[in-house]
Amino acid sequence: SQQGEEDPQALSIQEGENATMNCSYKTSINNLQWYRQNSGRGLVHLILIRSNEREKHSGRLRVTLDTSKKSSSLLITASRAADTASYFCAISGYSTLTFGKGTMLLVSP
Amino acid sequence: DTEVTQTPKHLVMGMTNKKSLKCEQHMGHRAMYWYKQKAKKPPELMFVYSYEKLSINESVPSRFSPECPNSSLLNLHLHALQPEDSALYLCASSQEQGTNEKLFFGSGTQLSVL
Repeated sequence: SQQGEEDPQALSIQEGENATMNCSYKTSINNLQWYRQNSGRGLVHLILIRSNEREKHSGRLRVTLDTSKKSSSLLITASRAADTASYFCAISGYSTLTFGKGTMLLVSP
Repeated sequence: DTEVTQTPKHLVMGMTNKKSLKCEQHMGHRAMYWYKQKAKKPPELMFVYSYEKLSINESVPSRFSPECPNSSLLNLHLHALQPEDSALYLCASSQEQGTNEKLFFGSGTQLSVL
């Protein structure tokens, strides 16, 4: 299965702290994407990192990819209450994206 | 317009009912997707349409019937569903079909089957 495994399953932090989520996978990939989902809503694309990239930034987001370890991490810096959501990594295989199980992030004011 | 619009937002149906979920995008995307998501689980791919033709069917039961009338619309026809089909049904689109594409999701239809 190409499904990613996120770690931790749940994360609770205070506003202003950084949040780090990890994603591990088993097969070779073309790219890896991260999505956010607010409760009961659709997913929003955050960032895509290609297999030949090691790090990518977008605003307060920093994504790393280590293809030798088959893992990726998403760092959210200076978190806000509005960052409370579930975060999914999505592994790109031959023809489809497969979503990992997700990390539920709770940011308390 | 960067929106994917899904209707209805909520749907309650009996096991003998026939209903349809609708999805619309006006971004000129040529790939459209149906995903099913159970509570606290990741989205699972059901169908992919590319250039209005069914490209991928992830062994979905025939009580789910997709339809792509044109490049902007995607329907999911439901018939004789089971209570275990209760879930959030998400539509998504992308410029083309391919795993280097980012997906744009609608807000979903929360379906309850009684």
